[in-house]
Amino acid sequence: KQEVTQIPAALSVPEGENLVLNCSFTDSAIYNLQWFRQDPGKGLTSLLLIQSSQREQTSGRLNASLDKSSGRSTLYIAASQPGDSATYLCAVDTGANNLFFGTGTRLTVIP
Amino acid sequence: EPEVTQTPSHQVTQMGQEVILRCVPISNHLYFYWYRQILGQKVEFLVSFYNNEISEKSEIFDDQFSVERPDGSNFTLKIRSTKLEDSAMYFCASREGERSEQFFGPGTRLTVL
Repeated sequence: KQEVTQIPAALSVPEGENLVLNCSFTDSAIYNLQWFRQDPGKGLTSLLLIQSSQREQTSGRLNASLDKSSGRSTLYIAASQPGDSATYLCAVDTGANNLFFGTGTRLTVIP
Repeated sequence: EPEVTQTPSHQVTQMGQEVILRCVPISNHLYFYWYRQILGQKVEFLVSFYNNEISEKSEIFDDQFSVERPDGSNFTLKIRSTKLEDSAMYFCASREGERSEQFFGPGTRLTVL
């Protein structure tokens, strides 16, 4: 069964800093990987989808990388802002028509 | 921009009662999902629905749960006899194609007393 782990569980950085969030998964046979943002008590906002054939995907200040063979993805956030404070979730699609989620990294950006 | 909507935002019910959670997926999407998130835990898959039938379900999705797409726009999750442990945030999601991005609704917070 696919297991998805995110490290660190929580991260606190000063505004303006660049940061990296990590996601690892146990089974490399994935279709794609999706990064989400979740604000407290709210739904999930899709940030980036990276297909299994891709190495990288970018959207604004966000860049996601995927190394399928080693079971890892990173989400790079450039020039962090207080509005980036949220929980970031990664989820893998194994082709079984559902997503397996990690436990998330709770990010706090200090003004 | 099209979005997935869910109603109600919060539902409180007594143990043993039936609840129906409603979702309106994005209109041109073909794949529909329900997930749940117990407070402080991971988001967990419940069921996927395609071509008017269930395509996958998890072990959580037992006989107490059912899904329906009654009218071509709504997608519902029914829990027949709620238990205390059903208290969670329930998310509906949809996507256009098999490998495309999943879009989530804002969730329904279900509280079972």
